[in-house]
Amino acid sequence: DTGVSQDPRHKITKRGQNVTFRCDPISEHNRLYWYRQTLGQGPEFLTYFQNEAQLEKSRLLSDRFSAERPKGSFSTLEIQRTEQGDSAMYLCASSLVTVNTEAFFGQGTRLTVV
Amino acid sequence: QKEVEQDPGPLSVPEGAIVSLNCTYSNSAFQYFMWYRQYSRKGPELLMYTYSSGNKEDGRFTAQVDKSSKYISLFIRDSQPSDSATYLCAMSGNSGGGADGLTFGKGTHLIIQP
Repeated sequence: DTGVSQDPRHKITKRGQNVTFRCDPISEHNRLYWYRQTLGQGPEFLTYFQNEAQLEKSRLLSDRFSAERPKGSFSTLEIQRTEQGDSAMYLCASSLVTVNTEAFFGQGTRLTVV
Repeated sequence: QKEVEQDPGPLSVPEGAIVSLNCTYSNSAFQYFMWYRQYSRKGPELLMYTYSSGNKEDGRFTAQVDKSSKYISLFIRDSQPSDSATYLCAMSGNSGGGADGLTFGKGTHLIIQP
């Protein structure tokens, strides 16, 4: 499979627990993005990496959220002390660092906080 | 006013009809325009990618960008029930999304009636 891979596909957690999601981008892509999508809305940008460097973070990314891409390949997104408002689909996308290139999305991780 | 406006629908048309989907935007810095298709509980799938103004055709799909009017369209010819999905427009000032990521519309829910 050469697409963007996300794990797990679904996660149910109790409020206050920490959760971590993983994204494996398309192998030659050096840009990696995290988005959040709630019901009836389009995806909203959270953060982006170029190789291992986190270059931009949206104001949506509160201090309970942290993302890493330690070796410039896979990335993790951790949410600490989850709240019910964190329930959403978390999407990862990747692209090349060249002019005129598309971003490809994974299937997402659906988080439900109960 | 949101940066990208898209009618959420639902839009219901009979099989075989030509479908017209569109978005308007306010940020004149947007240069890259995309259409994604998203089935329920799945990640967005890239359909069309256009740089700057003009038309692009791929099979039954045609994307149009009019930067002077800040208006983009996606046309689907000979629509099929399998085209039933949510269609998201997305745009960016940078290739692949770049530092600010992609800005999405809310998505239009399309239903093709057999």
